[in-house]
Amino acid sequence: DAGITQSPRHKVTETGTPVTLRCHQTENHRYMYWYRQDPGHGLRLIHYSYGVKDTDKGEVSDGYSVSRSKTEDFLLTLESATSSQTSVYFCAISESKGDGTEAFFGQGTRLTVV
Amino acid sequence: GDSVTQMEGPVTLSEEAFLTINCTYTATGYPSLFWYVQYPGEGLQLLLKATKADDKGSNKGFEATYRKETTSFHLEKGSVQVSDSAVYFCALRVGGNNRLAFGKGNQVVVIP
Repeated sequence: DAGITQSPRHKVTETGTPVTLRCHQTENHRYMYWYRQDPGHGLRLIHYSYGVKDTDKGEVSDGYSVSRSKTEDFLLTLESATSSQTSVYFCAISESKGDGTEAFFGQGTRLTVV
Repeated sequence: GDSVTQMEGPVTLSEEAFLTINCTYTATGYPSLFWYVQYPGEGLQLLLKATKADDKGSNKGFEATYRKETTSFHLEKGSVQVSDSAVYFCALRVGGNNRLAFGKGNQVVVIP
């Protein structure tokens, strides 16, 4: 367990409203990631962070922004939610091991945009 | 860019059957390769990994060998149980900052 907590776990929101998802980690990992999971697409990277205030775009970043003002929190914001953003969102961290690097995932947030 | 391809469609098999899930990759160089498993209602968990050619990753009876010549990392288990029912994702490390690229996943259903 890499001490990752996502909140909320479930959310229903209306089209056009802003939504913020939170990822909190307790073990001071440098790298944090937001993915979305959709049937037929697997997991796709939205944004990632490599340090406080250091973030970059992934492959599906349009309509999303992120912020990391402190090491333990990585926030994902849907600026104006659309139905195409209905998905399950996963936060992940990566941790260096002696024989490589591993990623650990949170439990996910199921977001429904109506 | 770097990517992985998993075989299409769910896999349904009987308990104690042999399981194979195919994974091929496209990459420059020799990236680390991973299999992740997702049980219902949960996040992904690392199942096994291989960091260089000819490495064999293994865990919980599952195995996968990093084949450079065929650019493959197929997942196998000799005798599946109902508790192995899950979605399995192949992944590889891409670029810098420890990013991962995932395949589309395969739903595995094991029938008693």
